[in-house]
Amino acid sequence: QVQLVESGGGLVNPGGSLRLSCAASGFSFSNYYMTWIRQAPGKGLDWVSYISSSTSYTKYADSVKGRFTISRDNARNSLYLQMNSLRAEDTAVYYCARDLSRGGGDAFDIWGQGTVVIVSS
Amino acid sequence: QSALTQPASVSGSPGQSITISCTGTSSNVGNYNLVSWYQQYPGKAPKLIIYEVTKRPSGVSSRFSGSKSGNTASLTISGLQTEDEADYYCCSYAGSFTFVFGGGTKLTVL
Repeated sequence: QVQLVESGGGLVNPGGSLRLSCAASGFSFSNYYMTWIRQAPGKGLDWVSYISSSTSYTKYADSVKGRFTISRDNARNSLYLQMNSLRAEDTAVYYCARDLSRGGGDAFDIWGQGTVVIVSS
Repeated sequence: QSALTQPASVSGSPGQSITISCTGTSSNVGNYNLVSWYQQYPGKAPKLIIYEVTKRPSGVSSRFSGSKSGNTASLTISGLQTEDEADYYCCSYAGSFTFVFGGGTKLTVL
């Protein structure tokens, strides 16, 4: 079935780094734009980053620009988020999600279960 | 990238209808017919229930409907059921492949 599974979350010190992964299955991953969205404890959803199907285009929220890098490996059906210079305010559940439109810029119809990132000393 | 504005909470009785508003600006909600709504239960991933302002994905109940006027989008749930009690989030495309979410609305079914 169509599925996204995140991994790579954990506890990291402020200033540290973490790399999240999202494994896709059940659909033609290379045809879809993908995104990372996070949710801090008890808070709302917060869009983080976006990547085009061919990797030629990436975009970031101002809060993570210059610290986070989104990438994908279409041969491995995988999406990644490299997070550097982590701050306490980056603590959240991180979800990967699929854009339902192959042209991008639409809505997110498939979500993973989320992976927890805790930034604390 | 300011968040869209939603009421923190709404409530209704079973069988009633409720509407959740989502106010943005002419840079996001007002400029694109690309507003989506998500339902989220505690500890679970969000689920898409409305996209492109008014469209429902396959399998989503027809009790859920969306609309937009100017810079404000709305989600209406008719014939409220206890299972509708959840958090609801709006999201809008904001141009150049950026997106903005609302702060979320907690729906209580009394």
